[in-house]
Amino acid sequence: DIVMTQTPLSSPVTLGQPASISCRSSQSLVHSDGNTYLSWLQQRPGQPPRLLIYKVSNRLSGVPDRFSGSGAGTDFTLKISRVEAEDVGVYYCMQGTQSPHGYSFGQGTKLEIK
Amino acid sequence: DVQLVESGGGLVQSGGSLRLSCAASGFTVSSNYMSWVRQAPGKGLEWVSVIYYGDDTSYADSVKGRFTISRDKSKNMVFLQMNSLRPEDTAVYYCAGEGSGTFYMWGQGTLVTV
Repeated sequence: DIVMTQTPLSSPVTLGQPASISCRSSQSLVHSDGNTYLSWLQQRPGQPPRLLIYKVSNRLSGVPDRFSGSGAGTDFTLKISRVEAEDVGVYYCMQGTQSPHGYSFGQGTKLEIK
Repeated sequence: DVQLVESGGGLVQSGGSLRLSCAASGFTVSSNYMSWVRQAPGKGLEWVSVIYYGDDTSYADSVKGRFTISRDKSKNMVFLQMNSLRPEDTAVYYCAGEGSGTFYMWGQGTLVTV
C-alpha cells in the first residue's frame, strides 16, 4: 500500500499571506498510462471533503486560482497564494494511482488563521 | 444538479449489521467507479471500498470479508452492507464518485456508531 505523508500537520497563517502544504508518497505515483494521480481535497468544518486539484496541478472548475498544485514522482505541494478566511479547514492529499485496487490519503493538514 | 445522498446510518451494537445507501442524481452510477470513504470522529479520511466496471469490487483490508459493496443500476444507487461491525467502524461514511483517479463528487455522509 502507498503511504501518504503530509507536512505540516498544522499551519497557522495570517490572512493575505501564502501557505504551502507538502505531501510525500512512499512510492512513485506515476501510473503506467503516464499520468500521476495525485489530488488535493479541502474539508471545511462540518462539511464533506471537496476536490480542489487533480492529477497534480489541474484545478477543478470553480476553484479559485489562488490554489495551485505542483510536484512529480513522490513529492507534491499545494500552495495558496493569499489565504482567505474561507480557506480554513483541513487539506488532504490523495493518491488514486492504484485505482481501483486501493486509494490512500495523507493525514490531513489543518489550516487556521493566526 | 449532480448530487449524492447517503442514508442508513445509525447506532448498532458490536457484531451487528447495517446497510448504507447512496442515491445519485444528475449522473449514472453504473458509468462511474463508486466508492465509500469513511472518517472516524476527529480523524482523517480512509477509503473503504469501490465498485467499478462489470461490478467488480475492491476493499480495504480493514473491512474485507465483513463489508460488501453493490449497486442497483435501475435505482441509480450504491449500497454498503456492513456485517460484524466493530467499535472501530464508528465513522461518517461518505459515498464518492471517481473520475481521473480522484474523488470528484462527495455526498454529505451518514454517521455509523458501533
